[in-house]
Amino acid sequence: EVQLVESGGGSAQPGESLRLSCAGSGVSVSDYNMNWVRQAPGKGLEWVSVMHSGGRTYFADSVKGRFTINRHNSKNTLYLQMNSLRTEDTAVYYCARALYDSAGMDIWGQGTTVAVSS
Amino acid sequence: SYVLTQPPSVSVAPGQTATITCAGNDIGGKSVHWYQQKPGQAPALVVYDDSDRPSGIPERFSGSNSGNTATLTISRVEAGDEADYFCQVWDTNSGHPHYVFGTGTQVTVL
Repeated sequence: EVQLVESGGGSAQPGESLRLSCAGSGVSVSDYNMNWVRQAPGKGLEWVSVMHSGGRTYFADSVKGRFTINRHNSKNTLYLQMNSLRTEDTAVYYCARALYDSAGMDIWGQGTTVAVSS
Repeated sequence: SYVLTQPPSVSVAPGQTATITCAGNDIGGKSVHWYQQKPGQAPALVVYDDSDRPSGIPERFSGSNSGNTATLTISRVEAGDEADYFCQVWDTNSGHPHYVFGTGTQVTVL
């Protein structure tokens, strides 16, 4: 079965760090463009970051300079390192696959919840 | 930055047609993708590249895109279609490529 499984969510205080993981099963995270998308409580979807199969990375302005994205090919896992967390980073974080640049996201994980509060 | 605007809500009776719009500057020049999200679930792709359907998505779901508006049409609406729907594009015009999601539309089946 093809699936993506996120983990690493939890509670943090403003200024702290968290690292999210997205483990692929039946799908290679290094062969595709892998994205992080988040959804604040009761709000819409917000794209966060992408790592292209070739290694290029892009970020939303709201997280640029605070979040980094990388992957561990042998573990078939994508990561999102979130530093200098803010209350507005509170959301469910999803990882999702896109087959190529500009493609729709055809496989999604179930999400992991991040709550930032003092 | 690029903005995609959707109506907050659409109500439709079972068996009728729901039309959801996604407005953006010259969106017709971009590939538009549509997602369905039911409560407590991850989004699911229902239309990609303006009008193509992933495997397993009913033909009742169709899309079009021209000018400044993209449209998702759900024909013969069923109770199970009740969900939030989001449009999405990949924007490269701002100098740094990024995905943009629409504001979302809640579809209610009466």
